[in-house]
Amino acid sequence: GAVVSQHPSRVICKSGTSVKIECRSLDFQATTMFWYRQFPKQSLMLMATSNEGSKATYEQGVEKDKFLINHASLTLSTLTVTSAHPEDSSFYICSAGDTEAFFGQGTRLTVV
Amino acid sequence: AQTVTQSQPEMSVQEAETVTLSCTYDTSESDYYLFWYKQPPSRQMILVIRQEAYKQQNATENRFSVNFQKAAKSFSLKISDSQLGDAAMYFCAYRPYLGGKLIFGQGTELSVKP
Repeated sequence: GAVVSQHPSRVICKSGTSVKIECRSLDFQATTMFWYRQFPKQSLMLMATSNEGSKATYEQGVEKDKFLINHASLTLSTLTVTSAHPEDSSFYICSAGDTEAFFGQGTRLTVV
Repeated sequence: AQTVTQSQPEMSVQEAETVTLSCTYDTSESDYYLFWYKQPPSRQMILVIRQEAYKQQNATENRFSVNFQKAAKSFSLKISDSQLGDAAMYFCAYRPYLGGKLIFGQGTELSVKP
């Protein structure tokens, strides 16, 4: 199957700083990518749909100014957590693919 | 709006035995995709099996098979000859036929006893 690479796999940052997470489709083009957040023992919660060349579509309750999404090319989408706070600590996962979703490895964010 | 429900938060199976994980969904669409994903402790999401709604035949992948009941909107996963490596969270998911976001169930945590 296709490969989606997510980087970094783990990051620790100080409260108030920003963190960027990258999601790349390695062997296919993705006009749409999805960003999820997952808490321990829970399901994946869709945060936003990333659209190449246009603004992302955010799910209800997700702060677009805090979670900035940029999809500047057909193979790269980035999620920037701005002014991070401890409550933003979580596991973030991206996916791409038209029929079958291919997932990145996920990023464990810890804000201290 | 489409919804996916997994009513079993936890399941347990003896090694080499068979276990069935339940999933029901709600949609007004006639064409769509259904998936089972596995999430082991590494948290990497792995596709287990996929079913196209227009296909009546149940999908099978080695030890994994589904029982797809379109009228009942049911999509259960059967794991035969369970192995220790099958221990993971399993998510049932729905996707519209023309693409779009995946809708996940709550997940079922499967443990395999040696």
